[in-house]
Amino acid sequence: EAQVTQNPRYLITVTGKKLTVTCSQNMNHEYMSWYRQDPGLGLRQIYYSMNVEVTDKGDVPEGYKVSRKEKRNFPLILESPSPNQTSLYFCASSLEFQQGQPQHFGDGTRLSIL
Amino acid sequence: QKEVEQNSGPLSVPEGAIASLNCTYSDRGSQSFFWYRQYSGKSPELIMFIYSNGDKEDGRFTAQLNKASQYVSLLIRDSQPSDSATYLCAVSTGRRALTFGSGTRLQVQP
Repeated sequence: EAQVTQNPRYLITVTGKKLTVTCSQNMNHEYMSWYRQDPGLGLRQIYYSMNVEVTDKGDVPEGYKVSRKEKRNFPLILESPSPNQTSLYFCASSLEFQQGQPQHFGDGTRLSIL
Repeated sequence: QKEVEQNSGPLSVPEGAIASLNCTYSDRGSQSFFWYRQYSGKSPELIMFIYSNGDKEDGRFTAQLNKASQYVSLLIRDSQPSDSATYLCAVSTGRRALTFGSGTRLQVQP
């Protein structure tokens, strides 16, 4: 089954404790992206990657890191999480970086930073 | 001005009616337009996409695009309670894959 898998689905942690949210897709997609979703603000892009070893900042990259060492994986790293990073996070992928390519979303990770 | 704007709603329609959801965008260079449905706490699910001016129909859903006026709409015919969700408009601007609106919440009353 074609899918984007995120882990964990839920996480409650404390300020400053490094965490990683994993994302993996099995569709051989080139393009992968991370979004956060907050009430009233919609989906905002954090980082994206057009292919292996190619990553770039989205609209809200502060406080986040990513890596793309393999085509299928695109982890999101919070080196020193803060309460304003409490949000619902989605990983998404599409076949390639071109206009008109629909994105497929993972099930989301609800992150709470205390 | 937001790049992609939607009325947050809620838009309330009776079961069986037509629901009309609207979206405006600011970048005239935008070429691809998507509608996603999102149930509370769930991930966005692609409903339709449209590239050309005019209408595109898929079952009970019709997407309408007017590039000159910079708006795209989604019509849902014969609305069902199961259509109650937040509908996200997304636009491909070329700078990166997709820019999303904040969504319109639709409530279909039985």
